[in-house]
Amino acid sequence: QKEVEQDPGPLSVPEGAIVSLNCTYSNSAFQYFMWYRQYSRKGPELLMYTYSSGNKEDGRFTAQVDKSSKYISLFIRDSQPSDSATYLCAMNVREYGNKLVFGAGTILRVKS
Amino acid sequence: SAVISQKPSRDICQRGTSLTIQCQVDSQVTMMFWYRQQPGQSLTLIATANQGSEATYESGFVIDKFPISRPNLTFSTLTVSNMSPEDSSIYLCSVTTGTSAYEQYFGPGTRLTVT
Repeated sequence: QKEVEQDPGPLSVPEGAIVSLNCTYSNSAFQYFMWYRQYSRKGPELLMYTYSSGNKEDGRFTAQVDKSSKYISLFIRDSQPSDSATYLCAMNVREYGNKLVFGAGTILRVKS
Repeated sequence: SAVISQKPSRDICQRGTSLTIQCQVDSQVTMMFWYRQQPGQSLTLIATANQGSEATYESGFVIDKFPISRPNLTFSTLTVSNMSPEDSSIYLCSVTTGTSAYEQYFGPGTRLTVT
């Protein structure tokens, strides 16, 4: 079983829709939760990170962590065609040192 | 955040040969890392590049196959040695600018195809 599971998609939505991207994980010790966006043929770009449980909002993006369910989400409001990319979740715990554990990524397509 | 460049951006290599990938950052950074991204797979950490000393490798990766150098605070190289088609992948370097490893910034990647 992978430590971090992520539905590969693709997820296809119309412009303006609310998008929900999710990851589940098995290691209850994970403390830091990150979301990266990766455009085709580019490196991942850090969008947001949260520590432990709760919500964090940044513009149209909201990251949510539910540690009791081992489940994290990224919500994108008023989605735009420019949001079309692969979204990667990543996690870390102090005991892993510098190692981030990534999900395989969800491909998102926002149609205009 | 730091601006990171990688060379080459892509290459096609013959099996049995080696390729050295360079990672250059426009400012001094705390930590530098090398990842592999295989098609349909998660990003996997190969090693942490330590300045002036041997890299720290993750389980499943060895120095003989992936020698890494980091001579200063802005530059690192990863060599993929004695390549086979299974090494075909995207190789990415990432950096942190603070003390927290979870806030990493990635380069554009090097797309390697081994024939």
